[in-house]
Amino acid sequence: DTEVTQTPKHLVMGMTNKKSLKCEQHMGHRAMYWYKQKAKKPPELMFVYSYEKLSINESVPSRFSPECPNSSLLNLHLHALQPEDSALYLCASRGPGLAGVRGPYNEQFFGPGTRLTVL
Amino acid sequence: AQKVTQAQTEISVVEKEDVTLDCVYETRDTTYYLFWYKQPPSGELVFLIRRNSFDEQNEISGRYSWNFQKSTSSFNFTITASQVVDSAVYFCALMVRGNNRLAFGKGNQVVVIP
Repeated sequence: DTEVTQTPKHLVMGMTNKKSLKCEQHMGHRAMYWYKQKAKKPPELMFVYSYEKLSINESVPSRFSPECPNSSLLNLHLHALQPEDSALYLCASRGPGLAGVRGPYNEQFFGPGTRLTVL
Repeated sequence: AQKVTQAQTEISVVEKEDVTLDCVYETRDTTYYLFWYKQPPSGELVFLIRRNSFDEQNEISGRYSWNFQKSTSSFNFTITASQVVDSAVYFCALMVRGNNRLAFGKGNQVVVIP
C-alpha cells in the first residue's frame, strides 16, 4: 500500500491540451519530487520542492509547470506537450517528517506514477 | 559529482536460486546514503533498503541482504531463494548529505523463471 498517491494513473492528451498531474502524501515529508522515466531507463529528476519552495529545476522546458499548493500536495501542469514527452511521471517524497512516521532516513518514497501519452 | 554503475543489464535465474546484483558508486563526499529500489512491471518504485556511509554492519532483512564494502565502493544486493514475484527492475541509488538529488544506476532487469 503506497503512501504517496498519484492521479490520474493513465493520461492521453493532444499537443494542444492542458492537463495536470497530481501527487499527495500524508507522511509529513517536506521534500517532494517530480521525475520523468522513459522505458528501460532510470528516473530523471525534473523538480524538487523543499518546504513548499521550488529548490531544484533541472532545466525542464516551460511546457511543464510545477506547483506546490501545500506541504502535502504537488501538481505538474502540462501544456503544449510534444510526443517525446510521453513517459511515466513519478512523484516522490522524502523525510524528515512527522515523528514516528515512516521514512526519517533520507529515502524517497515513490507514488505509482502516471503513464502519459502525448498524441 | 555522484555516479552509480550497475554493470549487469538482464539477469535470469530459476526460481529458488539466489541472485546477486552488483552496484559500484563514486562520490567524494564522506557522508552519503545508498539505496536499492525495485520497480515491477506496474511501474511503482518500491524502496527496499538503505545504507548509511557510517554504518558498520551488513544486514539481512527477510530474503534480502546486502554487502556494503567501502574499500571497493560497492553495495551489492542479494535476493535469497528467488520467487517469480521478484521479477522486476532493480535500481541502486546514491544520495550525498545535504543534496536532494538521487543518482540512479541504469538498473538490473531480473527475470525469475518458474
